[in-house]
This record gives sequence, structure tokens and C-alpha cells, in this order.
Amino acid sequence: GESVGLHLPTLSVQEGDNSIINCAYSNSASDYFIWYKQESGKGPQFIIDIRSNMDKRQGQRVTVLLNKTVKHLSLQIAATQPGDSAVYFCAEKEAAGNKLTFGGGTRVLVKP
Amino acid sequence: GAVVSQHPSWVICKSGTSVKIECRSLDFQATTMFWYRQFPKQSLMLMATSNEGSKATYEQGVEKDKFLINHASLTLSTLTVTSAHPEDSSFYICSASMGYEQYFGPGTRLTVT
Repeated sequence: GESVGLHLPTLSVQEGDNSIINCAYSNSASDYFIWYKQESGKGPQFIIDIRSNMDKRQGQRVTVLLNKTVKHLSLQIAATQPGDSAVYFCAEKEAAGNKLTFGGGTRVLVKP
Repeated sequence: GAVVSQHPSWVICKSGTSVKIECRSLDFQATTMFWYRQFPKQSLMLMATSNEGSKATYEQGVEKDKFLINHASLTLSTLTVTSAHPEDSSFYICSASMGYEQYFGPGTRLTVT
């Protein structure tokens, strides 16, 4: 079946630098995308979302970009802080349903 | 707002026994609750979707007789792992939804010995 694909890299970032995490999805019927942060031993924490009628959305220190043409989603974290160290997942939802499909996750390690 | 709790946060049980995990929406009524399983260093995999008062819908490959889901009220869903085996050891996470968004619980670590 279709899935949200995200290779499982580890992104090492120097504190204060910007981080970019990428996600590819394959379901063209998806109309809603979310980024989650998961710290060890905890549940996913909502970061930011974007609907398919947008290509960019900004939050506090985070920006999500959506390129529907190539089915690509990215999360940018500005001025990465030690507290940003976690695993980040993208997730997608179809317009017709209410299920989320999660990508594989990226671990972000912030070096002081 | 939109807080979801799980109980217990961790549990150790012997092989062959059953374990019940509770998921509660504390400050809202959830029309739908979801159960996920997450193995170490892997992503969340949806196990089932449950709506209050009706039978859960299980994902392909998830045994409904082994993972019993009850959603008796708009604020409580339970997952019972029956006849647990070591391969059922995992991190079980629930989420609750009252519309478009899902709100996740903190997870329950199950270890079967």
C-alpha cells in the first residue's frame, strides 16, 4: 500500500544552526500533513501542520514546506536548541478518512 | 486543553497472561480513538481505529482476537493484549480525535517475560 516514506537518518546539528528534515510521501490523496516530535519514552508531540492547499506554514521557530508536485514535505527548525533533540516524524492523512500514516522518523542530535 | 492520558505508563507481565491498557481523553470527548504500536527505533504503526459504541476497525495483519479494543464511552478506550508473548513487547500509544486533529497519549511500555 501507499505510505509516507522517510529514511531513518540521524541529523547532527550544531546548537544555533538551522535544521532541515525531509519527508517523501506517495499518497496523492493525502490532503493534510503533520510533523511530530517524539522524545524517548514519550508519545508524539504535535509541532506544526499544513493542508494541501498551502505550500508553506510558519510557527514559532519552525516552518513546514509542502511540494505537492514532487510529494515532498520538509520541516525547518531555526536556531536549533538542545531541547530540540528528538525523533521527528511526518504523518499524512487522506481527505476521505481519519487515519494517520507515519513516516519512518529522523533523529535530530543537537551538539552543544 | 486536549490532554490524553494512558494507564499504566509501563507494565511487565508473564507470557500467557493478559494486560489491559487504558486511554482517556481528559478534557474533551473523543469521537474516535486510535491505537498504535511502536517497536524500538521504528515508526508508529496503526493497529486499530475505534469509535464509541461500535466495534473497532483493525488494520491488516493485526489480530482482533488478540488485541481486544473496547470504546465504551467518549472519554475511554481500552486495549487488552490477550495471551501476551515476548514478541508483543512494545510501546503502545493511543490517540484521541474530536475532529481533524489527533491528540496523543504518553504511551505504555509493555514488556512480556
